[in-house]
Amino acid sequence: ETGVTQTPRHLVMGMTNKKSLKCEQHLGHNAMYWYKQSAKKPLELMFVYSLEERVENNSVPSRFSPECPNSSHLFLHLHTLQPEDSALYLCASSPRGGAYEQYFGPGTRLTVT
Amino acid sequence: KQEVTQIPAALSVPEGENLVLNCSFTDSAIYNLQWFRQDPGKGLTSLLLIQSSQREQTSGRLNASLDKSSGRSTLYIAASQPGDSATYLCAERGGSEKLVFGKGTKLTVNP
Repeated sequence: ETGVTQTPRHLVMGMTNKKSLKCEQHLGHNAMYWYKQSAKKPLELMFVYSLEERVENNSVPSRFSPECPNSSHLFLHLHTLQPEDSALYLCASSPRGGAYEQYFGPGTRLTVT
Repeated sequence: KQEVTQIPAALSVPEGENLVLNCSFTDSAIYNLQWFRQDPGKGLTSLLLIQSSQREQTSGRLNASLDKSSGRSTLYIAASQPGDSATYLCAERGGSEKLVFGKGTKLTVNP
């Protein structure tokens, strides 16, 4: 595996379900990000982890809970979501320092029914 | 509040044409600006990154410029091809690790 991978690629869940999105980066980076992309809106940053510590939480509802157990893995735990949470969820990573160029995964298409 | 605007929202051109995509930003303390390509339903592919100390970056048929004083960046695509059809996003990074994105320009190159 190379780059940034995300699983699952597609997820359909009911409002009472609990599920998790997984992101893994194989680039040796030490910062990881979750973004939400909704139709007709710019990408919205949700969370930033740097050296496994959350450094930014962009006013995200508590029904989204991130976890970063190590610098290569990032999870987004989901519970009691709303239909308006349906979106493409993108994970990215970057090195700290230097250019900070961000590399993105393919995304998880989430549909909440 | 940092904002990034991309104009036009959509662009359709015949194959072989040279074209320019525009991006404007409000952050005067920009650290760098990154251009991405996104194919339908897919993630983002980084195309070019320009540091605030640079004026332009080139990769193949792509050239990106940065003018901090006017708050503008352009992405120039030479000799466009149908495979260039995608949505192009620009994103600006200020002093934090946060990227602020525009809504993108959807490009269609017609054979």
